[in-house]
Parts: sequence; C-alpha cells; structure tokens
Amino acid sequence: GAGVSQSPSNKVTEKGKDVELRCDPISGHTALYWYRQSLGQGLEFLIYFQGNSAPDKSGLPSDRFSAERTGGSVSTLTIQRTQQEDSAVYLCASSSGWGGKETQYFGPGTRLLVL
Amino acid sequence: AQSVTQPDIHITVSEGASLELRCNYSYGATPYLFWYVQSPGQGLQLLLKYFSGDTLVQGIKGFEAEFKRSQSSFNLRKPSVHWSDAAEYFCAVGAHQGGKLIFGQGTELSVKP
Repeated sequence: GAGVSQSPSNKVTEKGKDVELRCDPISGHTALYWYRQSLGQGLEFLIYFQGNSAPDKSGLPSDRFSAERTGGSVSTLTIQRTQQEDSAVYLCASSSGWGGKETQYFGPGTRLLVL
Repeated sequence: AQSVTQPDIHITVSEGASLELRCNYSYGATPYLFWYVQSPGQGLQLLLKYFSGDTLVQGIKGFEAEFKRSQSSFNLRKPSVHWSDAAEYFCAVGAHQGGKLIFGQGTELSVKP
C-alpha cells in the first residue's frame, strides 16, 4: 500500500498569513505524529494523535499552531499568522500503535518558507 | 529530562572503510532506541531499533548497533561503507507512553571514493 503522504510538498507564504499542512497516514495506522525539522532546532516533536484525540500537544511552539485529525485518518496542521521563524520542514509520521515500540513511518515532508 | 546527543555533526569516511556513529541518550527507564537515515530529498527511514534483550541489533542495509547501558550509548556501525550510504543519520529515543521520538541533532555522513 501507499506510504505516508503530505501536501503540499512546498509552500511559500507571506508573514502574517495562515497555512494548512495536510498529512495522509498509512491506512489503518491509529497513531499519527507531527515533527518539525529546522536548521537551528533539528528534529522536534510537535503533537501526536491516538485516533482523533491528541493526548500530547507539548511540542507545539505557540498558540498559533493547532492540529486536528478527523475520521482517524487525515490530519491537518494549521499555523496562524505565520512568522519567519516558522520556516522549516514539517514531517508527519504514522504507526500502528502508540506504545513506543512501533515503527513510525515518515512522509516526505512539507517545506514551508515564510517571507 | 529525556535527551539524545550525537557528538559528531559531520563525518567523512572512505568507501569500503568501517563506520561508527555515536549516540548517547538520557532516559529514566529502559530506553526504546532507534536509528533513522535521511537521504537528500527523502523522508526518514528506520534502520534499526532496540527495546530489550540482545544488546547487538541488526538492521537494514548492513547496519548494526550496540546498546551499552553503562555508557548510555547506542552507537551505529557498518563494517564497509558504500557511496550510497552518504546521508544524514539520526538517533532517537522513544517515549514509552505515546511513542513520541526525541531526536539527536543528526550526523551527516560523507563518503569519499
């Protein structure tokens, strides 16, 4: 089957605009994770979902960031009023469970550039 | 606090030479440890993982890693490097609850012909 897909692959936006990033996990995977990869901060955890619930949002950098997951499948990460420091690659991963031992399968990422 | 340290930002090895990438972790319980590889323009791919048992684990592409609790280390090794191994390598520790991964800063591997 298909792997994790993300869209768009690239996004250029102006400072202050809102953006939505989409993640389609592997079919049947109940856990979904968002990470951010930037030059200064490396790979950082943002949020994860068990089904449609988000038990851990501790990595979201500010209240401008939010995420939701519907139908236990697709997830959207929304960044409001984007800032230049939001420029990064946003990675999504999914796994068959959330116990810590399951392999996370990563998508190719969305490269966000805020001008 | 949980953390992962990869002391080497960039390593260059000759093709055919052996490789060891270092990883040190800080975690309160028995860690779940992972090595991922990221090739240019591609997503992260799991090389291997360790949860318990035999401290030497085998992975894909001829890689192996050894867990040493006394040294809080999980170093990645390969006996003979191929040019296609040039990539960035990330060590990570996984949370027992929820499974979020905490990554090291990564080690970029260059391979000389």
